[in-house]
Amino acid sequence: DTEVTQTPKHLVMGMTNKKSLKCEQHMGHRAMYWYKQKAKKPPELMFVYSYEKLSINESVPSRFSPECPNSSLLNLHLHALQPEDSALYLCASSQREQRTNEKLFFGSGTQLSVL
Amino acid sequence: DAKTTQPNSMESNEEEPVHLPCNHSTISGTDYIHWYRQLPSQGPEYVIHGLTSNVNNRMASLAIAEDRKSSTLILHRATLRDAAVYYCIHTSMDSNYQLIWGAGTKLIIKP
Repeated sequence: DTEVTQTPKHLVMGMTNKKSLKCEQHMGHRAMYWYKQKAKKPPELMFVYSYEKLSINESVPSRFSPECPNSSLLNLHLHALQPEDSALYLCASSQREQRTNEKLFFGSGTQLSVL
Repeated sequence: DAKTTQPNSMESNEEEPVHLPCNHSTISGTDYIHWYRQLPSQGPEYVIHGLTSNVNNRMASLAIAEDRKSSTLILHRATLRDAAVYYCIHTSMDSNYQLIWGAGTKLIIKP
């Protein structure tokens, strides 16, 4: 099983809503990532978890709150988002945290629209 | 600042080889070069990576310049299923080993 599964595939939320994005992998990977991708742009790193501990937070606003309940699961809790937060949110995993030659496995993403 | 530059788009005919160039003039000696591709409505997919020597796998070949300031992804016989955005990326020791993504090259395959 070489899949990273993300749910939901699409999400529409208002600026006052609270929602969560979910990501799951069963490859035994110990590093998991959240990326944000705007249309026609490359993905931008948001967070990295390594061995279930937050390793990197790329100065992401606090309205985005990551959580890693165990080595297979990664959540992204959303609260009080702004319309400019509308984007494709990608989850990825790798055997260990990317330093040099780790391969990242990406999910298909959650397309988020904030109204 | 670390930077990776790629052409915005390229076109190729089906069944012909495709050479996708990338410049990474700020790369340091221990930074790896990676290529990923993103098909429509999907997440990026690993293609190939290398450090100094040229690399081959079942998907593609990676040719790395001797000074490592540029590289070329080679698809030997492009098919319609290879139509995607191809990202050239390098790790950056100066940026805590974060991946430095190029803007991507949209590859259009003509039947």
